[in-house]
Amino acid sequence: QKEVEQNSGPLSVPEGAIASLNCTYSDRGSQSFFWYRQYSGKSPELIMFIYSNGDKEDGRFTAQLNKASQYVSLLIRDSQPSDSATYLCAVTTNFGNEKLTFGTGTRLTIIP
Amino acid sequence: KAGVTQTPRYLIKTRGQQVTLSCSPISGHRSVSWYQQTPGQGLQFLFEYFSETQRNKGNFPGRFSGRQFSNSRSEMNVSTLELGDSALYLCASRRNSGAGDNEQFFGPGTRLTVL
Repeated sequence: QKEVEQNSGPLSVPEGAIASLNCTYSDRGSQSFFWYRQYSGKSPELIMFIYSNGDKEDGRFTAQLNKASQYVSLLIRDSQPSDSATYLCAVTTNFGNEKLTFGTGTRLTIIP
Repeated sequence: KAGVTQTPRYLIKTRGQQVTLSCSPISGHRSVSWYQQTPGQGLQFLFEYFSETQRNKGNFPGRFSGRQFSNSRSEMNVSTLELGDSALYLCASRRNSGAGDNEQFFGPGTRLTVL
């Protein structure tokens, strides 16, 4: 079983709709959760992080964490063509532990 | 505020050679981590440095090594290059150690091609 799992996609969403990206993790000791966006040929860009159960909103992005279910998600509201990218879920096991364990990423395409 | 910088951006080497990559973290950031990204394996952790000390190490052979300087700049070295070392090497910086301050910011990466 992979430590961090994501559906590789591609996930196609109409412009203006809500894109929902999901991630599950196997280590119950995981403490910090991150979403990175990576455009083709570019490096990962941090867009959201969440440390506590519940929802965290930042502009059009909402991260949701459920530690009991070992599940973290990213919602993108009012999807724009510029949101088309690969979204990487990453976790760390302890605060202060620098190692990010990444999922394989979900490729998102926003259809105009 | 300047972001993470990495040099060189592109590198072509032949098998058996060695290579050194450089990373300058965001000003004020003391922790530097290195990752390898390949199409087959995705993003994998190499090692992490804080205050010139290696704190964590991933599952890579000893050919991969690194160091950090007193100004927090870091280098990684790969010796005896193999074809499979062709990858995007990413450096990430973090402000400091401690709870609630875990965000890592990536540089543009160094694209290494081994022929």
